[in-house]
Amino acid sequence: QITLKESGPTLVKPTQTLTLTCTFSGFSLNTSGVGVGWIRQPPGKALEWLGFIYWNDDKRYSPSLKTRLTITKDTSKNHVVLTMTNMDPVDTATYYCARANAAYWGPGTLVTVSS
Amino acid sequence: DIVMTQTPLSSAVTLGQPASISCRSSQSLVHSDGNTYLSWLQQRPGQPPRLLIYKISNRLSGVPDRFSGSGAGTDFTLKISRVEAEDVGVYYCMQSTQFPLTFGGGTKVEIK
Repeated sequence: QITLKESGPTLVKPTQTLTLTCTFSGFSLNTSGVGVGWIRQPPGKALEWLGFIYWNDDKRYSPSLKTRLTITKDTSKNHVVLTMTNMDPVDTATYYCARANAAYWGPGTLVTVSS
Repeated sequence: DIVMTQTPLSSAVTLGQPASISCRSSQSLVHSDGNTYLSWLQQRPGQPPRLLIYKISNRLSGVPDRFSGSGAGTDFTLKISRVEAEDVGVYYCMQSTQFPLTFGGGTKVEIK
């Protein structure tokens, strides 16, 4: 059974750095072709893709956020970590981690950016 | 970036009646490997998205057969043959042919 779950702060201040962890089970990020990544959804709005990391450490980022994003993996812990710098209130959203084929999603975590 | 445009924005459907959602991409979604990476996702209220259909018309295991996808190139359609109460939610098309992945703006399906 494949599961993913996001964890991290629910509230961050403007200009701070957000760090979210995706903990997954039921598959390995050492398996060829497998990727895990992040998608976010501001309240009441559509989905926005942030980036993926693949089994071979290939990383793909949204061009509009690339300078602020870093995605890393720890295959021994079954973790994928999202780091987003210089947070702003417009970054308030539910952040989802998901398999790169979109077949499996975590429940999401709402991150609010406010002073 | 490939822009995905969905219509309508919302659709109120009588139970048991069909529903149809259109998705148009700003450029062809045919990949160099010959596949077309167009997917449909359902998001029920308060839930994460759920993948229903991938590569235009392939239903994920467990997805009811009242959901079907069709289309080619830049024009795609999701059809629900007979809407049930559990189908209420927002539906998104998504392209993964080219980075960055992009989503349509969503179509809200509700019961009339």
